[in-house]
Amino acid sequence: EIVLTQSPGTLSLSPGERATLSCRASQSITGTYLAWYQQKPGQPPRLLIYGASNRATDIPDRFSGSGSGTDFTLTISRLEPEDFAVYYCQQFGGSPLFTFGPGTLVDVK
Amino acid sequence: EVQLLESGGGLIQPGGSLRLSCEASGFAFSSSVMRWVRQSPGKGLEWVSSIGDSSSNTHYAESVKGRFAISRDNSKNTLYLQMNSLSADDTAVYYCAKETYSKAFDFSGQGTLVTVSS
Repeated sequence: EIVLTQSPGTLSLSPGERATLSCRASQSITGTYLAWYQQKPGQPPRLLIYGASNRATDIPDRFSGSGSGTDFTLTISRLEPEDFAVYYCQQFGGSPLFTFGPGTLVDVK
Repeated sequence: EVQLLESGGGLIQPGGSLRLSCEASGFAFSSSVMRWVRQSPGKGLEWVSSIGDSSSNTHYAESVKGRFAISRDNSKNTLYLQMNSLSADDTAVYYCAKETYSKAFDFSGQGTLVTVSS
């Protein structure tokens, strides 16, 4: 089973600051199948990044993804007020077919 | 615009059954891989099940295998999840999702809450 670990658990930052979120896999995964989601309270998750580094439709360019193998990163270059939320990484492959990380909460400092 | 409308959730006693539905619009449902994902209150996301476009391929998480069954009716643009032998561990918001780029998930519905409690 491929386990995704996200760090930090909580990231406390101010608007305008840079956010760097980590997702580490227990074994090497294909970057093609690594995605990032944003979730706000009471809402479904929203796809931000697919294929490790490709922004989904209508996602602002302040969001970027990178990484390969077991280490992946989501970067928000300058936090806007609407960016404070929980972020999940997700991978496809192996058993179970899909796994999600436990999430990183980005909250206001 | 992709729209997914989940329904069928509610309060059910342990050991009971429920069938969830997901009505899809705004895309070619009959040629799309569809999935169910759940989120326990205050917890993270867990993939539950997937089904291919022609229902030929179905997959399940170990936690629901043998108890849940995914199906679809392409003539009605509707996805289903039959849930049997429910326990408190199945309490969650259930989302349906469309497969999108690189096997990622497009969640375009608000989900339906299933509460298993006596």
